[in-house]
Amino acid sequence: AQSVTQLDSHVSVSEGTPVLLRCNYSSSYSPSLFWYVQHPNKGLQLLLKYTSAATLVKGINGFEAEFKKSETSFHLTKPSAHMSDAAEYFCVVSVRGTGNQFYFGTGTSLTVIP
Amino acid sequence: DTEVTQTPKHLVMGMTNKKSLKCEQHMGHRAMYWYKQKAKKPPELMFVYSYEKLSINESVPSRFSPECPNSSLLNLHLHALQPEDSALYLCASSQEPQTRNYGYTFGSGTRLTVV
Repeated sequence: AQSVTQLDSHVSVSEGTPVLLRCNYSSSYSPSLFWYVQHPNKGLQLLLKYTSAATLVKGINGFEAEFKKSETSFHLTKPSAHMSDAAEYFCVVSVRGTGNQFYFGTGTSLTVIP
Repeated sequence: DTEVTQTPKHLVMGMTNKKSLKCEQHMGHRAMYWYKQKAKKPPELMFVYSYEKLSINESVPSRFSPECPNSSLLNLHLHALQPEDSALYLCASSQEPQTRNYGYTFGSGTRLTVV
């Protein structure tokens, strides 16, 4: 069975400080993993993806994530938060043999304090 | 063109109305999806179209009727909806139904309110 757990439903950081959004996955096969961001009343935008190439993945807007198979984790980080980073973030897993279905985490709401 | 376009952006409809949501992509993607998203929740899969044929229906009530007239267009026909159907409806597409390496491209959604 496939599943994704986002460990924090809400994260609050000060502007200019690092961001860490945590994601753990469960998969019987090698997964593809994605992080999406959703600003209020908007659609989902792909931040970055891991598809069995380099384990450290760089995305847009200064975000990056590291795939750690031993820890079944795919945490999202950014060195310095910006006010525009305030949004909902979803970690997603896609596994071969499931019709390319996406399995969404429950989301992490990021607040950035000025 | 690297976008999925959804229209309308907002829709208010009565419980006896019939309306349609439209989704369009010109990226040559062969899989298209409808998702429903309630506030503060992740999107929930409703339907999957693969090469213009319905491949997955996640036990969605018949008051939602999808249609894929061609490879670029996806519609969602709405009839006799309930207030609890109010949500953000997202359309997405991907290059191939069985390819998991590219992710989905999502539209901006239609905010539906049923009164």
